[in-house]
Amino acid sequence: ELKVEQNPLFLSMQEGKNYTIYCNYSTTSDRLYWYRQDPGKSLESLFVLLSNGAVKQEGRLMASLDTKARLSTLHITAAVHDLSATYFCAVALGRAGGSQGNLIFGKGTKLSVKP
Amino acid sequence: DAGITQSPRHKVTETGTPVTLRCHQTENHRYMYWYRQDPGHGLRLIHYSYGVKDTDKGEVSDGYSVSRSKTEDFLLTLESATSSQTSVYFCAISARQGISQETQYFGPGTRLLVL
Repeated sequence: ELKVEQNPLFLSMQEGKNYTIYCNYSTTSDRLYWYRQDPGKSLESLFVLLSNGAVKQEGRLMASLDTKARLSTLHITAAVHDLSATYFCAVALGRAGGSQGNLIFGKGTKLSVKP
Repeated sequence: DAGITQSPRHKVTETGTPVTLRCHQTENHRYMYWYRQDPGHGLRLIHYSYGVKDTDKGEVSDGYSVSRSKTEDFLLTLESATSSQTSVYFCAISARQGISQETQYFGPGTRLLVL
């Protein structure tokens, strides 16, 4: 059974600071996803990581994947208030497509960036 | 938003009544999913579909059934709603982002309260 653990579950940051959210998963997978969710809203796709060593960056967010360690990180650089949201990682079961693409989600990290 | 709509967006119902939630997509995607989101649990897969009349169970399928008679519509039915089914329900489709990156895109969600 694939399990996905995120930590921390709650994160309060000051603007301008850096921090990292961790996502560990229990069995082999070739795809990992990061999503953002604002309160009362749907999920927005941030990153898709497909291979060991993959690194993607968008603005102040950078995601990386280490498939050997079964670990992904979401690094926040110089946080701003607009980054306040809940961030989810999700790991795909099996290969891309259909049932093989079913996602197992972590419980989410609620990020609050304070001035 | 990947052309996904959900209806109704909000519903209050009583224990024991049947409830049907609808997910509609406009872009002819083959794969569709139903998730529920509860505090402390992230998102959990209820059922998914890999084509018309082709469906399968997810992690938390007990008490739910689905149907897909047309590519564009994926229906989730609670045969006899219980208070434990109070949740936010998200529909998702699987689509390619870029050349090879397949990811899931989520609808706006349906908030269901079972009294």
